[in-house]
Amino acid sequence: EVQLLESGGGLVQPGGSLRLSCAASGFTFSNYVMSWVRQAPGKGLEWVSTISGSGSRTYYADSVKGRFTISRDNSKNRLYLQMNSLRAEDTAVYYCAKDRGGGYNYPNDYWGQGALVTVSS
Amino acid sequence: DIVMTQSPDSLAVSLGERATINCKSSQSVLSSSNNNNYLGWYQQKPGQPPKLLIYWASTRESGVPDRFSGSGSGTDFTLSISSLQAEDVAVYYCQQYYSIPYTFGQGTKLEIK
Repeated sequence: EVQLLESGGGLVQPGGSLRLSCAASGFTFSNYVMSWVRQAPGKGLEWVSTISGSGSRTYYADSVKGRFTISRDNSKNRLYLQMNSLRAEDTAVYYCAKDRGGGYNYPNDYWGQGALVTVSS
Repeated sequence: DIVMTQSPDSLAVSLGERATINCKSSQSVLSSSNNNNYLGWYQQKPGQPPKLLIYWASTRESGVPDRFSGSGSGTDFTLSISSLQAEDVAVYYCQQYYSIPYTFGQGTKLEIK
């Protein structure tokens, strides 16, 4: 059974940093592209970042480019999102999501339960 | 970026009746190389993560009831629920995965009339 479990969310002041982690199980982690998608309170879904199976290629939404870094450790079956220079508008539930296929251009077939990040003074 | 626009924003349908949600993309998400539409539909219930219902515009994900169907091509797509059940109350999102940034529609809230 595929499982994705996020951790590392919490309250952080504007300008601060936070690192989210996603523990994956139930599939061959290194074979799949992984993504982070966020959802601000009461709002819709926003794609944040995607990383290739090997970790060599990364992609970011313009809204987080230069502030967030996606990475993965395939030996530990873990996905990460390092978030720096956080702003109030980054407040959201952050979901870790597995891409359905082994390459790019697939939808997300499994999602974690989400980690809440609140940026406030 | 490809902009995804759903209509309506909210919808109330009687139990057992048909519900239809539309999604329009600002540019085609149909690949000429494989004739696939890079369009998916998700269902999100309160307090839960999204659930993939439909991909390639019309392929049902495993375990999804056959009352859910997707159609359309190019820039215009539809999610239909043939006979609404109480458990279908949710927000529905379309998403294009044709090009990065992958973008979602704003969501359609489906309620029981």
